[in-house]
Amino acid sequence: DAKTTQPTSMDCAEGRAANLPCNHSTISGNEYVYWYRQIHSQGPQYIIHGLKNNETNEMASLIITEDRKSSTLILPHATLRDTAVYYCIVAGNNRKLIWGLGTSLAVNP
Amino acid sequence: DAGVIQSPRHEVTEMGQEVTLRCKPISGHDYLFWYRQTMMRGLELLIYFNNNVPIDDSGMPEDRFSAKMPNASFSTLKIQPSEPRDSAVYFCASSYGTSGGSSYNEQFFGPGTRLTVL
Repeated sequence: DAKTTQPTSMDCAEGRAANLPCNHSTISGNEYVYWYRQIHSQGPQYIIHGLKNNETNEMASLIITEDRKSSTLILPHATLRDTAVYYCIVAGNNRKLIWGLGTSLAVNP
Repeated sequence: DAGVIQSPRHEVTEMGQEVTLRCKPISGHDYLFWYRQTMMRGLELLIYFNNNVPIDDSGMPEDRFSAKMPNASFSTLKIQPSEPRDSAVYFCASSYGTSGGSSYNEQFFGPGTRLTVL
């Protein structure tokens, strides 16, 4: 599975959009981009995934570049409850997710 | 649905003791995963099952660790004998086998068991 690179930490003001980048330059054609988050002391929570088209759900939007080598997770109006570690994972149709260290997002009042 | 249920939530034991962690997956899910999370190594997949059968146990650290899934609604992870380096948070997750399209890797996690081995 392709490896991903994320910034270690980011800050965002409450009510503003949080844009979390992820690089996955070695992604292959059948691999999807998945985003999870882990709020302190809880289990990880699935957010969204995509192959090549942009995706949106009630939690977030996922923007994938045309060459698929990078993506951005967008939380349109961040709240204090969005403070968490965000993981970008690239995976194919197998079931094994390889977890990096993620981005620690702090949403500040 | 109550989500993935794990017990106990906290376990403190002494080195050399046997530890058993329990997991009840979401009803209807046919994949079950055991993970371990530490500050040093992050989140690691230990083993996963499909339809109660172990598919990949390459992440199990050593013979002291064993996992079973006797039926679709219950799984255990056992450590015998336990060592201080086994201290970690252990998560269980479950997912659908065949979902519509691409959601192969949408996994639902339990709250975890925090294990401390003294």
